[in-house]
Amino acid sequence: GAVVSQHPSRVICKSGTSVKIECRSLDFQATTMFWYRQFPKKSLMLMATSNEGSKATYEQGVEKDKFLINHASLTLSTLTVTSAHPEDSSFYICSASKTGKSNEQFFGPGTRLTVL
Amino acid sequence: SQQGEEDPQALSIQEGENATMNCSYKTSINNLQWYRQNSGRGLVHLILIRSNEREKHSGRLRVTLDTSKKSSSLLITASRAADTASYFCATDGGGSYIPTFGRGTSLIVHP
Repeated sequence: GAVVSQHPSRVICKSGTSVKIECRSLDFQATTMFWYRQFPKKSLMLMATSNEGSKATYEQGVEKDKFLINHASLTLSTLTVTSAHPEDSSFYICSASKTGKSNEQFFGPGTRLTVL
Repeated sequence: SQQGEEDPQALSIQEGENATMNCSYKTSINNLQWYRQNSGRGLVHLILIRSNEREKHSGRLRVTLDTSKKSSSLLITASRAADTASYFCATDGGGSYIPTFGRGTSLIVHP
């Protein structure tokens, strides 16, 4: 199989705090991981693409200092929402690719972030 | 933009009926994929169809692709209540393998 986990599944935090979300590929090495954001009843919006050991590539309009991505190993990528505000509340989904071709993505279960 | 747009936005049917969802896109693609998402959950990959393919089957799922019309359809036959979910199409092309997702079709299958 190709299982991707995310932790935590839900997080509620106060405005101004930072939140870290982990994405792990459990049974394969992920050369590339992707972070998406999804608003209610909306499409997935790609935020950034990260390759192990290098800086993430952010999509236009996504603040890299706001959404810090670290892909320290072939099985772990983290997304840190810094100084979170209520407008950052959303469903964040990661996916991982075995071969680097993103049309072979395996998605995590998502993390629901609520900023009070 | 490669973004696919699903139609209808919402579909409500009875168990046993077939469900058909459509996806239209704007420019040439390499691949088109269909995903399923249960409420509050991640995405599950259903089928990938390449630009040179016209039809693919997987169990009760049938996907067609018409590149001349820039459209694809997902047919779920003999639907079950457990098929209730949102279904997204995603396309990639133009030199990028990164898929762009549509807004999805929300399917409700009543038991």
